[in-house]
Amino acid sequence: QKEVEQNSGPLSVPEGAIASLNCTYSDRGSQSFFWYRQYSGKSPELIMSIYSNGDKEDGRFTAQLNKASQYVSLLIRDSQPSDSATYLCAVPYGNKLVFGAGTILRVKS
Amino acid sequence: SQTIHQWPATLVQPVGSPLSLECTVEGTSNPNLYWYRQAAGRGLQLLFYSVGIGQISSEVPQNLSASRPQDRQFILSSKKLLLSDSGFYLCAWSEGGALPQYFGPGTRLLVL
Repeated sequence: QKEVEQNSGPLSVPEGAIASLNCTYSDRGSQSFFWYRQYSGKSPELIMSIYSNGDKEDGRFTAQLNKASQYVSLLIRDSQPSDSATYLCAVPYGNKLVFGAGTILRVKS
Repeated sequence: SQTIHQWPATLVQPVGSPLSLECTVEGTSNPNLYWYRQAAGRGLQLLFYSVGIGQISSEVPQNLSASRPQDRQFILSSKKLLLSDSGFYLCAWSEGGALPQYFGPGTRLLVL
């Protein structure tokens, strides 16, 4: 069974700071990685996909993938209180996604 | 564009009663479909998935079942609900196994 590990947090950052969320995975052969954001009481929303080593930027979000070290991270620049949510990392396994338990992010104004 | 619907949004049911939750997807064909449950403050638990009509894979043996009577319709059922069935039920779709999943709005179920 593939495993995806995340620090549960909560990670607290002040407004305007960079939030760094990390995820490690067990299967060295994984090729795709996804980050989801889940607000309290709502369903998860896909915010980033990354398929190759290096960085992928989308607005204030940057996903970083290091396949050799088997980790993927999500950086949120200029964090806003509206970024406060649980962030889930997911890795495909056959026809399924294996999700991490999620990291709670709290951005304090 | 694709849209995924779930209903009802909330449901309160007595222990021992039956359950039927429905999920439909618009704007795509032959999607992979998934049912998840999320207990309060917990992670996502995959219950069932389907790669085609009539094809159901069960991840967790329990008193729930799933069916896919049409290409874009996925139903989660139970004959007799347990207290432990309470939770947030999420339906999701994807275009393939290695591709991202997109979630519906969810159904919040409370079994009393």
